[in-house]
Amino acid sequence: EVQLVESGGGLVQPGGSLRLSCTASGFTFGNFWMTWVRQAPGKGLEWVANIKEDGSEKYYVDSVKGRFTISRDNAQMSLYLQMNSLRAEDTAVYYCARVGTVKGGGYFDSWGQGSLVTVSS
Amino acid sequence: EIVMTQSPATLSMSPGERATLSCRASQSVSTNLAWYQQRPGQAPRLLIHTASTRAAGIPARFSGSGSGTEFTLTISSLQSEDFAVYYCQQFNIWPPLTFGGGTKVEIK
Repeated sequence: EVQLVESGGGLVQPGGSLRLSCTASGFTFGNFWMTWVRQAPGKGLEWVANIKEDGSEKYYVDSVKGRFTISRDNAQMSLYLQMNSLRAEDTAVYYCARVGTVKGGGYFDSWGQGSLVTVSS
Repeated sequence: EIVMTQSPATLSMSPGERATLSCRASQSVSTNLAWYQQRPGQAPRLLIHTASTRAAGIPARFSGSGSGTEFTLTISSLQSEDFAVYYCQQFNIWPPLTFGGGTKVEIK
């Protein structure tokens, strides 16, 4: 069974940093693109970033470029999101998900339970 | 950026009824479209990919159709567990990958 478990969320002040982690199990992690998707309270879904199987390609939504960094450790079967210069509008539940297609731009066929990030003073 | 527009925003239905949800893309996405279901307090779940292919374990009452810019998700007979929010997502041209704003299916 595919499982994705996020951790690392919490309360952070504006301008602060936070690192989210996602630990995978039940599939060959290194064979899949992975993604982060977020959902602000009471709002819809927003794609944040994708990373290729070997980490050689990374893509971001414009609103987080230069502030967020997606990375992975295939040996540890883990996905990360380093978030710097956080803003109030980054407040959201962050989901890690598996990309279900061979190409990087695809649909998301398995999701974690989410990790809440709250940016507030 | 491809903008995805879902309608209606809210659909008030009774159990057993047929529900039809729409998703429109601002430009053609071919059949590179997915549908997700999100129940309250839960993560999204993939229902349909490539416009009309049901994901593993998804009941046959869920079906998707369309191509280009117009897509439909149909739930043939609503069950209690189907009252949720549904999102479409395009993966034809990216970045960014984009979602629609969602349709909430509520009990009438």
